[in-house]
Parts: sequence; C-alpha cells; structure tokens
Amino acid sequence: EVQLVESGGGLVQPGRSLKLSCAASGFTFSDYNMAWVRQAPKKGLEWVATIIYDGSRTYYRDSVKGRFTISRDNAKSTLYLQMDSLRSEDTATYYCATADFITIAASYVMDAWGQGASVTVSS
Amino acid sequence: DIQMTQSPASLSASLGETVTIQCRASEDIYSGLAWYQQKPGKSPQLLIYGASSLQDGVPSRFSGSGSGTQYSLKISSMQTEDEGVYFCQQGLKYPFTFGSGTKLEIK
Repeated sequence: EVQLVESGGGLVQPGRSLKLSCAASGFTFSDYNMAWVRQAPKKGLEWVATIIYDGSRTYYRDSVKGRFTISRDNAKSTLYLQMDSLRSEDTATYYCATADFITIAASYVMDAWGQGASVTVSS
Repeated sequence: DIQMTQSPASLSASLGETVTIQCRASEDIYSGLAWYQQKPGKSPQLLIYGASSLQDGVPSRFSGSGSGTQYSLKISSMQTEDEGVYFCQQGLKYPFTFGSGTKLEIK
C-alpha cells in the first residue's frame, strides 16, 4: 500500500524557516517524480514544487521561487520542502504527492497524496 | 500561467441524479486534464486523468470528457458518498494549476 506521511509542520513567525518531510513507503520512491501541493484554509489547491525522480530537476511556482527548496533522499525514501523567509500567505496545509507523467496526455497528475502537514505563519 | 475556470462553484443534487461539472482552460491543454475529489478533512483523491481515463478503483459512474479548452466531469447517478469538493487540474505546463473547486452536496 502506497503511504506518504508528512511531518514538520507547525506555527512559525514571519521571516523564519521550517522544513517539511514526507516519508514514502509501499512503492519504489526513486522511480517517481514528487510534488508539494498546498491548500490555504478554506481555499483551493495550489501546486508548489516538483522534483524529478533522480533529483536532477526542480520546478517551483513563482511566489515561492528563491524561498522554498524541494529536495529528496532516495536512499531514505523521503521528500523534503525547506521553506525560508516565510510569509503569512504561506499559511496552508502542505501535501506531498507523487507526480505521475501520463504519456497519452503528455501531462502530470498527482496520484497518491499524504494526509498533509499544517503550516501557520503568524507573529 | 494557464487559468482553469470551474463551474458551478456549488451545486446540490438528489440521489440518483446526473451531475455535470465544467472546467475551462485559458489555452489548449491537449487533454492534460485531471479531476480530483476532496472530502472534508481529507486529502484529494485522483478520479480522472488524461481528461477521460478512470483511475483504478474509482466507481464507473464517474466519467470525464472534453478536449482543447473545455472539459467536464459527469457523475451518472449521485450517491451520498459523492459529496465533497471537486477540482480540475492541468498538468501540461508549469506551473500546474487547479480550478477553484465545485462543492457538491446532496439535496
């Protein structure tokens, strides 16, 4: 059974840092692209970042570029999101997800999702 | 960025009723469209990928269609467990973008 378990969320002051982790099990982690998707309270879904299966490439939304860093440790089957210079607008539940490339549509979907980690940025 | 416009924002349906949710992309996304269901307090679940392919384990009353910029999700016979919020998502170009969601309730 595929499992993704996020950790590391919490309350943090604006301008400070936080690092999320996502422990994967039940599949060959090193074969999968991975993503972080966030959801502000009572709001919709927002893609944050994607990392290719071998860590060779990363992609970010503009609002987090230069502040967030997605990384992975394939030996530990763990995905990370280092969040620096946090802002109030980063307050959200952060989900890690597999980012599967669908060949027939040449596009990515988020197949398996974790339960989410809550991040609150407030003084 | 590709904008995804979803409609309606909310709807209520009776048991057994057919429900249709629309999603429009701001440019051609060549069927690179997925649908997700999210229940309260839970993480999203993938329903449809490639605009019309049913994810394993998803009931056959769910179906997707469309091409170009116009897509739709249909639930052929509404069940109580179908209550939740539905999101469309384009995965063709970065940044991947989601629709604003459709809240579906039982009437």
